[in-house]
Amino acid sequence: DGGITQSPKYLFRKEGQNVTLSCEQNLNHDAMYWYRQDPGQGLRLIYYSQIVNDFQKGDIAEGYSVSREKKESFPLTVTSAQKNPTAFYLCASSQGASWPQHFGDGTRLSIL
Amino acid sequence: QQQVKQSPQSLIVQKGGIPIINCAYENTAFDYFPWYQQFPGKGPALLIAIRPDVSEKKEGRFTISFNKSAKQFSLHIMDSQPGDSATYFCAASREYGNKLVFGAGTILRVKS
Repeated sequence: DGGITQSPKYLFRKEGQNVTLSCEQNLNHDAMYWYRQDPGQGLRLIYYSQIVNDFQKGDIAEGYSVSREKKESFPLTVTSAQKNPTAFYLCASSQGASWPQHFGDGTRLSIL
Repeated sequence: QQQVKQSPQSLIVQKGGIPIINCAYENTAFDYFPWYQQFPGKGPALLIAIRPDVSEKKEGRFTISFNKSAKQFSLHIMDSQPGDSATYFCAASREYGNKLVFGAGTILRVKS
């Protein structure tokens, strides 16, 4: 089945640690996105990538980093500089910048 | 200019009722307005979307109404069922789907 796989489903981080969230898609989509979801708020865009080896900051990029070395993979690193990392992180992909976005089932990150 | 305001925050209806969720936007450059449905622990799923050149779009029991002059759009769910209980998000973007701006979400409960 084609889709977007996010792993792990739950992730715990100690203070001062970096942590990387995985996002893989087998839909052959060119564009990929990372969003953060907090209770009572909509999704906010962290980073997006329209092609391999290229990505742009979204609205809340501070404290996060990404890479896009392969078309199917778009990992997100939450660095120790992110002051409030506890959230539900969602990865999405689309056929291109002008196509609907489809989401994975998310990773819930918590701080120990 | 980038904000999308969604109301109500939560909504309870009886089975068979017609819940209505409203969204308002500010940026007149937005030209794509999707609605997403999200169940607990899952990623949002695209439900229905509209472009500003039409005033209404129906897909099954779901209808979007769009008022370009008022910069408002709404989701109606006909003959609502308990299985429709979920969180609904409206969104908007320029360039058809790229860099979506989300509303804060509406938690819908359909009582049987």
